[in-house]
Amino acid sequence: QVQLQESGPGLLRPSETLSLSCTVSGGSISSHYWSWIRQPPGKGLEWIGYIYYTGSISYNPSLKSRVTISVDTSKNQFSLKLSSLTAADTAVYYCGREGNIAERPGQAGYYYYALDVWGQGTTVTVSS
Amino acid sequence: DIQMTQSPSSLSASVGDRVTITCRASRGISSFLNWYQQKPGKAPNLLIYAAANLQNGVPSRFSGSGSGTDFTLTISSLQPEDFATYYCQQSYNTPRTFGQGTKLEIK
Repeated sequence: QVQLQESGPGLLRPSETLSLSCTVSGGSISSHYWSWIRQPPGKGLEWIGYIYYTGSISYNPSLKSRVTISVDTSKNQFSLKLSSLTAADTAVYYCGREGNIAERPGQAGYYYYALDVWGQGTTVTVSS
Repeated sequence: DIQMTQSPSSLSASVGDRVTITCRASRGISSFLNWYQQKPGKAPNLLIYAAANLQNGVPSRFSGSGSGTDFTLTISSLQPEDFATYYCQQSYNTPRTFGQGTKLEIK
C-alpha cells in the first residue's frame, strides 16, 4: 500500500527557510492531492496546503506569503518550503495524501476527499 | 475560513462506555466532514469520511452522523485502545480546517 516518508533538517535558526520532502512509495504520485499538515507541541492540527500532480496548488492564507509546495513526479516526491521561520513554526510536520475517497451519490465524477495516508511526521525545531 | 468547533475538549470515560463527540461547522458543509484518531507520538488515522462512512479496517463500534453544520462521532463501547485524541476536519473547501481536538481519557 502507499506509504509516505518525510525528510529534512530537524533544527533551524530563526529567519531561515525550512525545506522538507515527502517520498511516496507503493504507488504513483500522479493522482490525488498531496498535503502538508503541522502540529505545534501539545496543540492541534493545522493544514498548510496541498498540490495536485499537475501542479495545481492551494495554500492556507495564514501561511501563504511564506509557503511553497512543489511536486517532482520523476522522483515520486513532493516538497515544502517555509521561509522566515520563527519559534512559532516549531512543530511536527506531516505529509499526507488527500484521496478522492468516495464518489458523491448522484454526482458521477465528483468525490469526497480525506487524508487517508499520512507520513510518520518529522519534528522541526526553530531556535537560536 | 470555515471554523470547526468540537465539544467537549476533553472527556473521561470508562471501558465499555458509549461516548459521543460533537463537531460544529461555522457554515454548512454538506457531508464533507472527516474524523481522525491520533495517539501520542503518532500521525492521525482516518476513521470516518463523508460524515458517516467507516474507513476500511476501522472497527464497527465507531460511527458518524450529521450533515450541514452539526456532526457527531460515537463510540458504542469504549475499548482500551480507543483512548486518544479525536479531530474533525472539513473537506468542503480550502483551506481545510480541523477542530481543536477532543482528548478521550480513562476515568
